[in-house]
Amino acid sequence: AQSVSQHNHHVILSEAASLELGCNYSYGGTVNLFWYVQYPGQHLQLLLKYFSGDPLVKGIKGFEAEFIKSKFSFNLRKPSVQWSDTAEYFCAVNIRGGGNKLTFGTGTQLKVEL
Amino acid sequence: DGGITQSPKYLFRKEGQNVTLSCEQNLNHDAMYWYRQDPGQGLRLIYYSQIVNDFQKGDIAEGYSVSREKKESFPLTVTSAQKNPTAFYLCASSMQGQYSNQPQHFGDGTRLSIL
Repeated sequence: AQSVSQHNHHVILSEAASLELGCNYSYGGTVNLFWYVQYPGQHLQLLLKYFSGDPLVKGIKGFEAEFIKSKFSFNLRKPSVQWSDTAEYFCAVNIRGGGNKLTFGTGTQLKVEL
Repeated sequence: DGGITQSPKYLFRKEGQNVTLSCEQNLNHDAMYWYRQDPGQGLRLIYYSQIVNDFQKGDIAEGYSVSREKKESFPLTVTSAQKNPTAFYLCASSMQGQYSNQPQHFGDGTRLSIL
């Protein structure tokens, strides 16, 4: 079975700092990769996804992620964070053609300070 | 607006009691899912259904049951056999696709606590 690791559980940054959240998965086959975000008091929503093509994908609100197949990684980045980026971020994976059910990482709580 | 409605928002269960969490979607999605969210553990899949009248166990199905009699509805029952039911429960839905790359859409969740 596949698994997802998010190594940073809590991250605190100042506004305008750069962000990189790590995500590694374990599965030898072809996968689809997702980042979801949960803002305080809001439902979980899709930030971006990768399933084929350019390994650098861009999402909403200036976020991007790079799929590095050799490292089994899908790290999330943003050049300059804002206070409104304070949220919990989840990396998720599923097996291509294996149904849509997702395996999630444990999440990273990001706090951006003014 | 299309979306997923979970009710109630808060639910309290007495020891030995079964409770049912509601999930309704008007997105015309074929697939629906139930996750449990615990602090520091992310989301874990309880049950999922890819089509009406069919569902499969996820990673932590013990102590839970579901039904899928209608496309729009996927209720979750937390039975008395679930010894640690206090958690945040999330329902999701998605289109089906050959490559499994359709994103899931989530409801606002139900927080279940034990009295």
